[in-house]
Amino acid sequence: DVVMTQSPLSLPVTLGQPASISCRSSQSLEHSDGNTYLNWFQQRPGQSPRRLIYQASKRDSGVPDRFSGSGSGTDFTLRISRVEAEDVGIYYCMQGIQWPRTFGQGTKVEIK
Amino acid sequence: EVQLVESGGGLVQPGGSLRLSCAASGFTFKNYPMRWVRQTPGKGLEWVSDISLSGDRTYYADSVKGRLTISRDNSKNTVYLQMNSLRAEDTAVYYCAKGSNGTIDNWGQGALVTVSS
Repeated sequence: DVVMTQSPLSLPVTLGQPASISCRSSQSLEHSDGNTYLNWFQQRPGQSPRRLIYQASKRDSGVPDRFSGSGSGTDFTLRISRVEAEDVGIYYCMQGIQWPRTFGQGTKVEIK
Repeated sequence: EVQLVESGGGLVQPGGSLRLSCAASGFTFKNYPMRWVRQTPGKGLEWVSDISLSGDRTYYADSVKGRLTISRDNSKNTVYLQMNSLRAEDTAVYYCAKGSNGTIDNWGQGALVTVSS
């Protein structure tokens, strides 16, 4: 199985400041079709998860452009350029290159 | 607008059975693989199962293999999760989800399953 490891697991941030979450996979997520199957999800308190980023760096429509995804191979990053209050929640990475699909442990973002 | 509405959750005794349903609307159901993902109380997300467009291919997490069965009815735009031989560790919110190419682009609101005597 592909193991997904996120860090940090807790991220206190100041409003308006940047934040960064790392996700590492135990195997490369680059497929022979040229795509990289890494997703980022946001789960706000009391809500279902919502996809922010797919194929490592493609932002979903409606997702603020302060969110960006980058990385390749086994090393990925989700960045928030300026944290807003509505960004509080838990962020998960997930690999979609092979079964079983696997998620990272989650990173809890909170305001200092 | 894509909608995924789960139903069938509830309280069940260890060893018991339950069937979750997920009614889909707002997209061409038969054109998308469907999935179930669960979240134990206060914990993270765990992928449970995937089913292909026609239902001829299914995939399961090792933790549920042989006990949970995913199926779909494209005429009813519905995906199911039959849950047998339930254990306390199956207690979770079960999300129905849609997505192709190794992703999930829409999630339902979730159905709570509690396994307890």
